Parts: sequence; structure tokens; C-alpha cells
Amino acid sequence: EVLLVESGGGLVQPGGSLRLSCSAFGFTFSNYDMHWVRQATGKGLEWVSAIGLVGDTYYPASVKGRFTISRESANNSLYLQMNSLRAEDTAVYYCARGSPINVNTFDIWGQGTMVTVS
Amino acid sequence: SYELTQPSSVSVSPGQTAIITCSGDKLGDTYVSWYQQKPGQSPVLVIYQDTKRPSGIPERFSGSDSGNTATLTISGTQAVDEADYYCQAWDSSTYWVFGGGTKLTVL
Repeated sequence: EVLLVESGGGLVQPGGSLRLSCSAFGFTFSNYDMHWVRQATGKGLEWVSAIGLVGDTYYPASVKGRFTISRESANNSLYLQMNSLRAEDTAVYYCARGSPINVNTFDIWGQGTMVTVS
Repeated sequence: SYELTQPSSVSVSPGQTAIITCSGDKLGDTYVSWYQQKPGQSPVLVIYQDTKRPSGIPERFSGSDSGNTATLTISGTQAVDEADYYCQAWDSSTYWVFGGGTKLTVL
């Protein structure tokens, strides 16, 4: 079964740091682009970061310079290092896989991990 | 920055057709995906590349994309289709972008 499992969420003070992890199961992790997408309570989805097959990374302006996405194929794992956290970063963070058919689509999502900055 | 606009809510009676729109500049020139999210659950891909359904998605879900508007159509809407729906596209300056989401209510 293809599965993504996030971990590492929790409560952190403003200005603090947190590292999220996402474990991939059931597919060849190294063959796929991977993403982080977040959702504040009662709000919509917001793309947070992406990492390509060769480690190329992409970020929206809202997190650029504060968040760092990385991957470790040996462990089938995706990471998101979040620094200088703000109250507006409070959200459920989802790990998502880039579709092999259209890399601009997210075809598999994890269950999410909650990050609270307060 | 690139923006996608969706109606905040759409209501439909069971068995009727639900139409959810997504508008953005030259949206017809890029592929659009649609995601369904039920309360307390993760999003699920229901349409990709404007019109294609992933395996396991019912045939009543269809999509189109032309000009500045993409459309998700649910034919013969069922109570189980009640959810939030998000459109999504890619733009060379903003990268991956989501619409604000549409709450579909099946009355």
C-alpha cells in the first residue's frame, strides 16, 4: 500500500524551531518529487515547499528563508526544518507526493501533523 | 502572484448536478487538478490534467478547463460527495497554487 506518514508536530513558541518528518511506504521514494502543504484550522490549503529528484527546492514567499525541505532516499524520508516560527505558521502540515503522470499534481497525501505556534 | 478564485459555497439537491468553478488568468493554458476533502480527513485527488480521473474515483466526477475558468462537475450528486473541493494549478512565478476552496452542501 502506498502510504505517507508524517510526524514531528507539536507546540512551539514564536521564534522557535521544529523539524517535521514524513516516511514513505509502498513506492520508490527516490523517483518522485515531494511536497509539504499546510492547512490552518478552518482555512484552505497552502503549498509550503517542494523538492525534486535531484534535490532542487522551491518555496513560496511566505516561508522562504525560514523553512528548509530535504529528503533522504536511503530512509525513504522527507523533512521540513522550520525556523523562526510565527503564529501564522500554525496549521496541519501534510506531506504529499508529486504525481508521476503530472508533476504539478499531488496524488498521495499523508494524514498530517499539527504544528501550533503559541 | 498567481491566484485561483472559487466560490465559497455551492449547494445542490441529491441526484442533481453540482458545478464548481475555479478562475485564474489564462487558466486554460495550464493543467488543473481538483481535490476533495471531507471533515477531519486529508485531501484526495479527484481530477488531474483538467479532465482525468484517478483510479477509484467515480465516473460522476468530471472536469473541464478553458479560457480563464476550470470547472468540476459532479453528476448525480450523492450525500457522500458533501465536502470541501479545491482546485490547484502551477504557475512559473508562484509555483503550486490552490484555490480558496468551495464547500459543497448536498441538501
